[in-house]
Amino acid sequence: EAGVAQSPRYKIIEKRQSVAFWCNPISGHATLYWYQQILGQGPKLLIQFQNNGVVDDSQLPKDRFSAERLKGVDSTLKIQPAKLEDSAVYLCASSLDRHNYGYTFGSGTRLTVV
Amino acid sequence: DQQVKQNSPSLSVQEGRISILNCDYTNSMFDYFLWYKKYPAEGPTFLISISSIKDKNEDGRFTVFLNKSAKHLSLHIVPSQPGDSAVYFCAASENAGNMLTFGGGTRLMVKP
Repeated sequence: EAGVAQSPRYKIIEKRQSVAFWCNPISGHATLYWYQQILGQGPKLLIQFQNNGVVDDSQLPKDRFSAERLKGVDSTLKIQPAKLEDSAVYLCASSLDRHNYGYTFGSGTRLTVV
Repeated sequence: DQQVKQNSPSLSVQEGRISILNCDYTNSMFDYFLWYKKYPAEGPTFLISISSIKDKNEDGRFTVFLNKSAKHLSLHIVPSQPGDSAVYFCAASENAGNMLTFGGGTRLMVKP
C-alpha cells in the first residue's frame, strides 16, 4: 500500500510571497487532514476533509490559509501571503473514514519563510 | 490552552532498560488516546492506542497505561533499543477518528 504522498519536501520563500503544498492520500481514504507542526511543538490540526467536504476548519487562519479537495482525492493547502511565523512542517494525513483509529501521515513539507 | 501536555522534552535511557514516557491531559471529554513515533524528516507513525474503557493496552515491547482519574497516560517500552530513539507524541481525541490533539513530544534517546 502506497503511503501518503506530499510535495514539495522543502520550500523556502520570502515573507508576503505565496506558497502551495500538495497531498495525495492513501487510495480509498475518505478523510484527509492538514496539520501544522512548528519546531518543538506537536502537530496542530488546520483542516479536516471528509471526501470533498470540510468537516473542521476552525483552526485554519482563513485570512491567509486556504485548502481544497475538489475531487475528494488529493488536496492542496495554500498560504497567501506568508508570514515568518508560518515557518513549520505541514503534514498531511489520511484515514479510511472519520471513525478510523490512527492516521497515516505523509513525510511533510518543511516551509521556511525568510 | 494546552489540552495535552508532555512535560519531559527529552529522556535518555540505556539500551535494555525500561523507557517511560508520560502524558497529561485536561479535557475530560477525551476518550481515545494514541502514541505516535517520529523520526527526523519523516511523518509521525502510529504506535499504539488505548480507549478510555481500558486502563492498559500491550503490543509487544510497548504498553500504554491510562489513569482516567488522574488524566494521565504513560508509554512503557521494555526493553528499550537504540532504534527506539525518536520523538514520541501523545495524542487524544473526543471521538474516534476525529481531530487529534497532540502533546509537544518527548525526544527519547536510547544509548547502546
